[in-house]
Amino acid sequence: QVTLRESGPALVKPTQTLTLTCTFSGFSLRGSAMCVSWIRQPPGKALEWLALIDSDDDKYYSTSLGTRLTISKDTSKNQVVLTMINMDPVDTATYYCARSGRDLFFAFDIWGQGTRVTVSA
Amino acid sequence: QSALTQPASVSGSPGQSITISCTGSSNDVGLYNYVSWYQQHPGKAPKLLIYDVTNRPSGVSDRFSGSKSGNTASLTISGLQTEDEADYYCSSFTTSSTRVFGGGTKLTVV
Repeated sequence: QVTLRESGPALVKPTQTLTLTCTFSGFSLRGSAMCVSWIRQPPGKALEWLALIDSDDDKYYSTSLGTRLTISKDTSKNQVVLTMINMDPVDTATYYCARSGRDLFFAFDIWGQGTRVTVSA
Repeated sequence: QSALTQPASVSGSPGQSITISCTGSSNDVGLYNYVSWYQQHPGKAPKLLIYDVTNRPSGVSDRFSGSKSGNTASLTISGLQTEDEADYYCSSFTTSSTRVFGGGTKLTVV
């Protein structure tokens, strides 16, 4: 069974750096055609794709947020980490990690339950 | 990368069919057959309905179908049911190897 779970702080202050961890099971990012993305959703608003890392350690970032984002993976721990610098109240959102892989490489077939992050002083 | 364009809302009655459009550009929807669709109920994570324009994952009802013409993809839901009331999002692969979502469509079953 494939599962993903996001973890991180519920509250961050403006200008701080956010670090989120996606811990997954049921698949590997080592030597397989898999990738994990981070996606966010501000309250009442649309989904926004943020970043992706694949099993070859290739990384792709949203063109609008790319300079603030860093994605990395620890294959031994089955984790993908997203850092976002210079947080602002507009970054308040639920942050999801999601898997893409094999025949569904360009879709997000399994999602975590999401973690809510509020940016406030 | 601009978000894909979806209607803000659509509505239908039980048993009817509805179609949700998703318009992109020649850099995403028009260039690749890598459009996917998601259903999201309030407070829940999105669920994959359609991938690669027309394919349904195992377990997804055949009442959901996808298509594409030019820069516009479409999701059709036939035999509407009350539980279909949700938000729907499209997504596409892009020329820069990134992904992009649509603005979302709220489906009301009246």
